[in-house]
Amino acid sequence: AQSVTQLDSHVSVSEGTPVLLRCNYSSSYSPSLFWYVQHPNKGLQLLLKYTSAATLVKGINGFEAEFKKSETSFHLTKPSAHMSDAAEYFCVVSEDNYGQNFVFGPGTRLSVLP
Amino acid sequence: ETGVTQTPRHLVMGMTNKKSLKCEQHLGHNAMYWYKQSAKKPLELMFVYSLEERVENNSVPSRFSPECPNSSHLFLHLHTLQPEDSALYLCASSWSFGTGFAEAFFGQGTRLTVV
Repeated sequence: AQSVTQLDSHVSVSEGTPVLLRCNYSSSYSPSLFWYVQHPNKGLQLLLKYTSAATLVKGINGFEAEFKKSETSFHLTKPSAHMSDAAEYFCVVSEDNYGQNFVFGPGTRLSVLP
Repeated sequence: ETGVTQTPRHLVMGMTNKKSLKCEQHLGHNAMYWYKQSAKKPLELMFVYSLEERVENNSVPSRFSPECPNSSHLFLHLHTLQPEDSALYLCASSWSFGTGFAEAFFGQGTRLTVV
């Protein structure tokens, strides 16, 4: 069975400093991996997805993630945090390509301090 | 706008009421989903419809009843709910077969409060 662990429930950074949100997964197969963001009282928006073509994936708003099979990790990074990045971030694993088998992590709340 | 629209955005209902949540997708997808998002819990997949047929029902109580009349519309009928059913209910859509990767697109959710 697949599962996702997000190691930090809350991360706080200062504006302009780097962001690192950690995600580890467990999967019996070669997984699909996604990061979603949820702003307060909003739905989820896709930030980026791992398609197996490249291990370093670039997403929207300057975010990127690196797939490391040996570490079973898919950490999300951004070089410089912006106030608008404050939100909840979800790492998602799927053992096929489609949403029917999405497994969501518990989420990491990112706070950005001025 | 994500292409997935949910109504209403907020709903307060008594435990004896009957209400319905509506979801509409304008993306041409063939799969639709209901998720429940409660505080301090991971998102829970409630129902999946692929090509208008239900393919997943994760042991959801019968007081929640889904309906998918066509590939663009999805309803969640609610009756005799409990206070612990208060949550954000999210609808999503995606492709369910084909090539490539098909991420799910989410609506903005319905915030349900059961009193």
